[in-house]
Amino acid sequence: NAGVTQTPKFQVLKTGQSMTLQCAQDMNHEYMSWYRQDPGMGLRLIHYSVGAGITDQGEVPNGYNVSRSTTEDFPLRLLSAAPSQTSVYFCASSNRLRFVSGANVLTFGAGSRLTVL
Amino acid sequence: KQEVTQIPAALSVPEGENLVLNCSFTDSAIYNLQWFRQDPGKGLTSLLLIQSSQREQTSGRLNASLDKSSGRSTLYIAASQPGDSATYLCAVPRAFGNEKLTFGTGTRLTIIP
Repeated sequence: NAGVTQTPKFQVLKTGQSMTLQCAQDMNHEYMSWYRQDPGMGLRLIHYSVGAGITDQGEVPNGYNVSRSTTEDFPLRLLSAAPSQTSVYFCASSNRLRFVSGANVLTFGAGSRLTVL
Repeated sequence: KQEVTQIPAALSVPEGENLVLNCSFTDSAIYNLQWFRQDPGKGLTSLLLIQSSQREQTSGRLNASLDKSSGRSTLYIAASQPGDSATYLCAVPRAFGNEKLTFGTGTRLTIIP
């Protein structure tokens, strides 16, 4: 099925552990991004990428790393997990050319629920 | 800094009623506004995108309006159904053609059969 695939769906970590949340899209979208969703705070942008080899920070980047070696994949790495990183993480992508015209929308993955103990 | 607010945080209405969800934003210089639907345990699905030059956008039983001058958007749902139960979020881009969105906190809607 075409779309954005996130793995794993659920993960429990201990404080200090590291892990990678995977995101893959098969729509040849240039733009990919990671958001976190916390109760009462809406979605906040962590990192984003406008193409392979290009990444930039969003609103809440501390504690997270990203890379974009291919158009399809945009993994999010937690270097040393903290309880404050307990959240639901969403990956989203879009076609940039259509977006700059103000007409496109983001396609979201189903989310990855992370608990840090 | 743009702030997007959705009040109320939760809403319950009987099936069949028409209802309105609200979205307010502090910076009226927006280029478009999107409404999303989120089902429990699922990602976000785009419902409507309304351009800054538009006042309304319709899709089926959904109608979104935009009043930039007052910093408000509403999502009208006609003849509500239990399947409409979900969380509804609005979002605005940070600049024209900018995929970075500022989201509201959402309204959790429950339609009572």
